[in-house]
Amino acid sequence: NAGVTQTPKFRVLKTGQSMTLLCAQDMNHEYMYWYRQDPGMGLRLIHYSVGEGTTAKGEVPDGYNVSRLKKQNFLLGLESAAPSQTSVYFCASSQGSNTGELFFGEGSRLTVL
Amino acid sequence: AQSVTQLDSQVPVFEEAPVELRCNYSSSVSVYLFWYVQYPNQGLQLLLKYLSGSTLVKGINGFEAEFNKSQTSFHLRKPSVHISDTAEYFCARTSGSRLTFGEGTQLTVNP
Repeated sequence: NAGVTQTPKFRVLKTGQSMTLLCAQDMNHEYMYWYRQDPGMGLRLIHYSVGEGTTAKGEVPDGYNVSRLKKQNFLLGLESAAPSQTSVYFCASSQGSNTGELFFGEGSRLTVL
Repeated sequence: AQSVTQLDSQVPVFEEAPVELRCNYSSSVSVYLFWYVQYPNQGLQLLLKYLSGSTLVKGINGFEAEFNKSQTSFHLRKPSVHISDTAEYFCARTSGSRLTFGEGTQLTVNP
């Protein structure tokens, strides 16, 4: 019962470095999402995808890029990390209906020095 | 923009006491509402959801919520909490194909 798996779980970067977070789901879900969680701000949507090969911007997309080359994977990239991107990142997936449940990964804690 | 407001950032209660976590949403013609729970160092998991029908929705772990259209509220309640209910709770609403979350309420249950 893997569900939604995020890698890596922890990462420390220096300002200006790049990195990619990987999200994989084994539930054959159409929709996938990347959120960031910061204290007192809840979860804010970065980017999302409604199917293989599609991506769309969320509330806070600046400084991030995403790709959905395979249905089961959704990658989040930081091209030039900034301290403001220090956060906990959550990936989620759903069947696609807006009445459905989101299934979340356990999170990836990123620190940018 | 469609939004969700959680009125309390922290709610401390004693074990076996009742609790209410408050959530208001911005009004729209139709809305689907959710409560998620996040235990420490974990992702979010669904507690309950309101799609249509009965305004009183029952979820897991003894939680329930009431949809109030006139007050644009969706408050979460439990008649008697346990230590294990200590967690952060998020109210959310649909915004097209996405979910918009509130800021979260930290529920701390003390012995």
